[in-house]
Amino acid sequence: AQKVTQAQTEISVVEKEDVTLDCVYETRDTTYYLFWYKQPPSGELVFLIRRNSFDEQNEISGRYSWNFQKSTSSFNFTITASQVVDSAVYFCALSPWGGGGSYIPTFGRGTSLIVHP
Amino acid sequence: KAGVTQTPRYLIKTRGQQVTLSCSPISGHRSVSWYQQTPGQGLQFLFEYFSETQRNKGNFPGRFSGRQFSNSRSEMNVSTLELGDSALYLCASSLVETRDYNEQFFGPGTRLTVL
Repeated sequence: AQKVTQAQTEISVVEKEDVTLDCVYETRDTTYYLFWYKQPPSGELVFLIRRNSFDEQNEISGRYSWNFQKSTSSFNFTITASQVVDSAVYFCALSPWGGGGSYIPTFGRGTSLIVHP
Repeated sequence: KAGVTQTPRYLIKTRGQQVTLSCSPISGHRSVSWYQQTPGQGLQFLFEYFSETQRNKGNFPGRFSGRQFSNSRSEMNVSTLELGDSALYLCASSLVETRDYNEQFFGPGTRLTVL
């Protein structure tokens, strides 16, 4: 069975602070995907990043960076110099690699990030 | 290009009724997935349709069903509604042009309230 734990239910920061959202996962699969999504108040999920289990390179995209550590089963997400527009609920998700382009995700409970001006 | 559209956006039903939700994927996308989001259970995968066939299914009772039409539009149906079915139902579409992961694009959701 797969499990994703986002221990931080809510994080509150002041604009320009750096913030890290934690994600720890459990799976017996040797090949899998990890994801981060953003859910703004409007409701639709916005894809942020996908990482394959065999690719442990960290990634940076603008103010966003991700740290994947297979040894600790963690896939943490850092926002540098946070902005009010970053306020949203962030979900970490895990899926086995099913092939054929399909996947079955298991989501964490989400972390609500509030960025105060 | 238009995004994923879901109709209706809001719906109120009573226990025991049935409901049908609709999802129109991005033009050219052939895979449609459905998700349920509740405060209690969080975000959960319901099922995925590809080329009019259910390709994957989450752990939900048979009251939850879906289908996909030849134009890739999809509907999901919930029969004999229960209070616990109150949720935001999200639909996502993807292109499916490679055997690797294909990014999903989500719609705004349908907010279902069961009274």
